[in-house]
Amino acid sequence: EAQVTQNPRYLITVTGKKLTVTCSQNMNHEYMSWYRQDPGLGLRQIYYSMNVEVTDKGDVPEGYKVSRKEKRNFPLILESPSPNQTSLYFCASRKTGSVNYGYTFGSGTRLTVV
Amino acid sequence: QKEVEQDPGPLSVPEGAIVSLNCTYSNSAFQYFMWYRQYSRKGPELLMYTYSSGNKEDGRFTAQVDKSSKYISLFIRDSQPSDSATYLCALGGQGGSEKLVFGKGMKLTVNP
Repeated sequence: EAQVTQNPRYLITVTGKKLTVTCSQNMNHEYMSWYRQDPGLGLRQIYYSMNVEVTDKGDVPEGYKVSRKEKRNFPLILESPSPNQTSLYFCASRKTGSVNYGYTFGSGTRLTVV
Repeated sequence: QKEVEQDPGPLSVPEGAIVSLNCTYSNSAFQYFMWYRQYSRKGPELLMYTYSSGNKEDGRFTAQVDKSSKYISLFIRDSQPSDSATYLCALGGQGGSEKLVFGKGMKLTVNP
């Protein structure tokens, strides 16, 4: 089944404790992106990657890091999480240049930083 | 002015009603237009997409784009309780970018 898999689905952590949210897609998509979704603010892009070793900042990159060492994986790293990073996170991917320009989203990771 | 504005909702309708969801946008460079549906505790899923002004129909759903007015709509006919979800408009293709810009979403509840 074509899908984007995120782990974990739920995470509660303490301020300052480094964490990584994993994202993997099995569709050979070039483009991958991380979004956070907050009430009243909608989906905001954190980082994106056009292909392996090519990443760039989105609209709200502060406090986050990403890497793209393999085409299928695009982990999101919070080096020192803070309570304002409590949010619902989505990873998404799409094939560039395809007729269907839609993203395929993962099921989300609900992060709480206390 | 925000790039994409979506009616905030929430919206509650009886089963069988016709639903109209709307977004406006400010950047005329957007080339393609999408609607996503997001069920509770799930990721958004692509519902419809279109590239040009006019209507596109898929079953009970019709996507409408008016590029001259910078206005897009999603119509749901004969709405069902299973249509209860949050609907997000998404626009892309500006300057050849891969990025999608999303509306904030409207929560729709269809009551049996």
